[in-house]
Amino acid sequence: QKEVEQNSGPLSVPEGAIASLNCTYSDRGSQSFFWYRQYSGKSPELIMFIYSNGDKEDGRFTAQLNKASQYVSLLIRDSQPSDSATYLCAVIGYNQGGKLIFGQGTELSVKP
Amino acid sequence: DGGITQSPKYLFRKEGQNVTLSCEQNLNHDAMYWYRQDPGQGLRLIYYSQIVNDFQKGDIAEGYSVSREKKESFPLTVTSAQKNPTAFYLCASSPGRGRTDTQYFGPGTRLTVL
Repeated sequence: QKEVEQNSGPLSVPEGAIASLNCTYSDRGSQSFFWYRQYSGKSPELIMFIYSNGDKEDGRFTAQLNKASQYVSLLIRDSQPSDSATYLCAVIGYNQGGKLIFGQGTELSVKP
Repeated sequence: DGGITQSPKYLFRKEGQNVTLSCEQNLNHDAMYWYRQDPGQGLRLIYYSQIVNDFQKGDIAEGYSVSREKKESFPLTVTSAQKNPTAFYLCASSPGRGRTDTQYFGPGTRLTVL
């Protein structure tokens, strides 16, 4: 079992719809959870981080964390073509000394 | 401007050559990291450093070497022992605050072996 798993996609949604990206992790002691966006040929940029169970909202983005079920998700409301990118989920596990474990990423395509 | 810079943006290496990738940050971050990304894959950790003059191997350190003589600099050398070095190399830094630490990435260096 991979430490951090994401569906590779591509996930295709129409413009204006809600895009839902999911991530599961194997280390039950994981502490911190991050979502990065990576455009083709570019480096990852941080979108959101979440540490506590529940929802965290930032503009059109909502991160959801459920530690009991070991999953974290990212919702993108009112999706735009400019949101088309690969979204990387990353987790800091228990006693990892700050090391991030990345999933393979989900490719999102928003169609006009 | 505060941030992380990497140079060069593109690098071509001949078989048997060592090459060094530069990474500099002016964010006053304690921790720095090197990752490798292959097409269609996630990021894999090569080396990381949480403090000056100290660094640790990541998951794929073989064929690579690093130094951390200054807080703001963390160069990566890809040696001839690395058999498949063609990849996108990403440097990151973070404040170094344990479980809530947040990493920020430089623009990357794309290395191609000729």
